[in-house]
Amino acid sequence: NAGVTQTPKFRILKIGQSMTLQCAQDMNHNYMYWYRQDPGMGLKLIYYSVGAGITDKGEVPNGYNVSRSTTEDFPLRLELAAPSQTSVYFCASRSRVNEQFFGPGTRLTVL
Amino acid sequence: AQSVTQLDSHVSVSEGTPVLLRCNYSSSYSPSLFWYVQHPNKGLQLLLKYTSAATLVKGINGFEAEFKKSETSFHLTKPSAHMSDAAEYFCVVSVGAAGNKLTFGGGTRVLVKP
Repeated sequence: NAGVTQTPKFRILKIGQSMTLQCAQDMNHNYMYWYRQDPGMGLKLIYYSVGAGITDKGEVPNGYNVSRSTTEDFPLRLELAAPSQTSVYFCASRSRVNEQFFGPGTRLTVL
Repeated sequence: AQSVTQLDSHVSVSEGTPVLLRCNYSSSYSPSLFWYVQHPNKGLQLLLKYTSAATLVKGINGFEAEFKKSETSFHLTKPSAHMSDAAEYFCVVSVGAAGNKLTFGGGTRVLVKP
């Protein structure tokens, strides 16, 4: 199993640009999550999904959108990038025994 | 509501000496508790978890943690630090509800001196 994969690893955006962060898992997990980690901080939940077609907001959803058309994929969309969205983004999925598996992260800089 | 407080933002130990990382939590319901480790520029790896079974939980790489309900604590320990233990450690609480969302502590950065 590849586990949780994320692309790209790094990205630099200009203010106002849009992009999609990709996340995929091959463990057949229903629950998936998007977090952001700012320097020196813990992770904050952006959005989560309990299964295909079902998504809900987390702690810091403003400026982001998600979709979940399949069990495997959970992309995160930034529509109008702002400097405040400079962060490291982690995708995760949860097993049936309540363990979350994290992807390697995407480091995003908005200039 | 749930919250997690890691009492030390930085801990410095010498190689071969014990490590103690302190964590207190707040939860309205019976929580699940986790410790994750993050090495520089890497993702998060699960060290161990508590889910209402044994209160002393053993994890990977020689780490263990004890759940103390009366003190609302879940401190992480290791008897003998290794250079490879230098990393950031996060205490995390999860309460069963829609999504089993995780709430992270602020993290403790561990420095291991030779």
